[in-house]
Amino acid sequence: EIVLTQSPATLSLSPGERATLSCRASQSVSSYLAWYQQKPGQAPRLLIYDASNRASGIPARFSGSGSGTDFTLSISSLEPEDFAVYYCQQRSNWPGTFGPGTKVDIK
Amino acid sequence: QVQLVESGGGVVQPGRSLRLSCVASGFRFSGYGMHWVRQAPGKGLEWVAFISYDGSNKYYADSVKGRFSISRDDSKNTLYLQMNSLRAEDTAVYYCAKDYVSSGIFDYWGQGTVVTVSS
Repeated sequence: EIVLTQSPATLSLSPGERATLSCRASQSVSSYLAWYQQKPGQAPRLLIYDASNRASGIPARFSGSGSGTDFTLSISSLEPEDFAVYYCQQRSNWPGTFGPGTKVDIK
Repeated sequence: QVQLVESGGGVVQPGRSLRLSCVASGFRFSGYGMHWVRQAPGKGLEWVAFISYDGSNKYYADSVKGRFSISRDDSKNTLYLQMNSLRAEDTAVYYCAKDYVSSGIFDYWGQGTVVTVSS
């Protein structure tokens, strides 16, 4: 099973700042990596799929990069609604596995 | 717009059974694979089961294999999860999720239904 590690566990930032979240896979997942956002009491929402493709309706301030084992989710300028938990997920090997999440909270 | 609405959760004793439902709307249900994903209290996300668009392929997490069964009724636009021999560690919010063209990408999620296994 492919294990995903996310860092940092918590990221404390102010609105308007840039957020950079990391996801590392225990073996190559090619570009088969997605990012999801989850707010308290809500279901996850797909942000990015296949490493760098924004899902429908996702603002341009969200971007993804990387391939192989190292991936990054960037939020160019944090809006108040962006403070949430972010999960990465690989679909290279069945079943798809999720990382433990990075919480982005308000500094 | 795509909507997924789960139901059927509740409090159940260890060893008992429960069936979850997920009613889909806003897309051609019969054309897409579907998943169940769960989240234990305060924890991360765990994929549980998948059924292909035509019901011919079904896959399960090792943690539920032999106890849970996924099925679908396209005439009712409904996905099911039959959960037998429930354990305390099955306590979680259960989400149904639509698959993005049988890719293992979860592009739409329901709001979840809570299952609590406790004596």
